[in-house]
Amino acid sequence: AQSVSQHNHHVILSEAASLELGCNYSYGGTVNLFWYVQYPGQHLQLLLKYFSGDPLVKGIKGFEAEFIKSKFSFNLRKPSVQWSDTAEYFCAVNANDYKLSFGAGTTVTVRA
Amino acid sequence: GAGVSQSPSNKVTEKGKDVELRCDPISGHTALYWYRQRLGQGLEFLIYFQGNSAPDKSGLPSDRFSAERTGESVSTLTIQRTQQEDSAVYLCASSPTPLAVQETQYFGPGTRLLVL
Repeated sequence: AQSVSQHNHHVILSEAASLELGCNYSYGGTVNLFWYVQYPGQHLQLLLKYFSGDPLVKGIKGFEAEFIKSKFSFNLRKPSVQWSDTAEYFCAVNANDYKLSFGAGTTVTVRA
Repeated sequence: GAGVSQSPSNKVTEKGKDVELRCDPISGHTALYWYRQRLGQGLEFLIYFQGNSAPDKSGLPSDRFSAERTGESVSTLTIQRTQQEDSAVYLCASSPTPLAVQETQYFGPGTRLLVL
């Protein structure tokens, strides 16, 4: 079974700072990769996804992620965060089946 | 359009009682999934429905957990004789097609269950 690791449990940063959240997975075959976000009081929403093609994918709200197959990684980035980016971020992997395996999540707090 | 809905949003129960959690998927979505999220942890897969059949029940933690689905519509997750370790947020998701590899799951708001 595949596993997903998110390196940071809690990240605190100021507005306009750059953000990078790490995600590594353990599965040697073809994978589909996702980042979900959960804003305070809201449900999980899809931020971006990678199925195939260009390993640099762009999502909503200025987020992007890069798939590096050799490193089994799918790190999330945003050049300049806003206070409204305060949320919990989850990396998820689908390994050619129907279910998602999730990381434990990273709580991001952006100080105004 | 309407998203995935779940009810109740919160449920407090006493140890040993049975609870039923409901999920209404997005209309037309044939695949439905249940996940559980314990405090400070990621989501763990419980069960998957393709239409009203459940090809994979491997994630159900014990025989106290069961789920059913009516057609390609509502699903109910039942927990019998609840234990304190069942306390968690139970999330439902749906996706347009069954057994599709490149598919996106859309999540509901979850039911927060607290067993006293």
